Amino acid sequence: AQSVTQPDIHITVSEGASLELRCNYSYGATPYLFWYVQSPGQGLQLLLKYFSGDTLVQGIKGFEAEFKRSQSSFNLRKPSVHWSDAAEYFCAVGVSGGGADGLTFGKGTHLIIQP
Amino acid sequence: DAMVIQNPRYQVTQFGKPVTLSCSQTLNHNVMYWYQQKSSQAPKLLFHYYDKDFNNEADTPDNFQSRRPNTSFCFLDIRSPGLGDAAMYLCATSRGGAYEQYFGPGTRLTVT
Repeated sequence: AQSVTQPDIHITVSEGASLELRCNYSYGATPYLFWYVQSPGQGLQLLLKYFSGDTLVQGIKGFEAEFKRSQSSFNLRKPSVHWSDAAEYFCAVGVSGGGADGLTFGKGTHLIIQP
Repeated sequence: DAMVIQNPRYQVTQFGKPVTLSCSQTLNHNVMYWYQQKSSQAPKLLFHYYDKDFNNEADTPDNFQSRRPNTSFCFLDIRSPGLGDAAMYLCATSRGGAYEQYFGPGTRLTVT
């Protein structure tokens, strides 16, 4: 069965600084990978996805992520964070693109933005 | 805008009193999912429908059931809620296959 590890429970970043959130996955074949963001009391919004092809994927809100097969990683990055980026971030892995079998989520990383 | 809608956003029920949560979608997606998310935890898949085919996760309690009367609607029934069932319940949809899931805003369930 697949699994996702997000090693950082909390990360604090100054506004305007760069950000990297870590995600490692375990899956026997090529995974389908996603990053979602969740604001308090809200549902999950898709930031970006990787299915195949270019290993550097661009998403919404200025986020990008890089798939590294050799490291089983799919880290999320943003060059300059804004206060509105404060939220919970979830990395997820899917089988069959996550379409039919549901997603397996990491435990999330809580991002705090300090002025 | 096409979207996933959940009603109500907040639901309070009494211990043991059946409750139904509703999800509707205007995306015309084949697959609809229900996830349970407890405080400060990751969403956990309960079950999903691929069209009319129901797929239950192995560790989903029998207390939880679902109905999908048509493509647009899906319901989550909790027959006898316990205090441990208090959580955010998220509905999601997908076209199926290699496509991402779209989530609704969730229903926050409180059990008193």
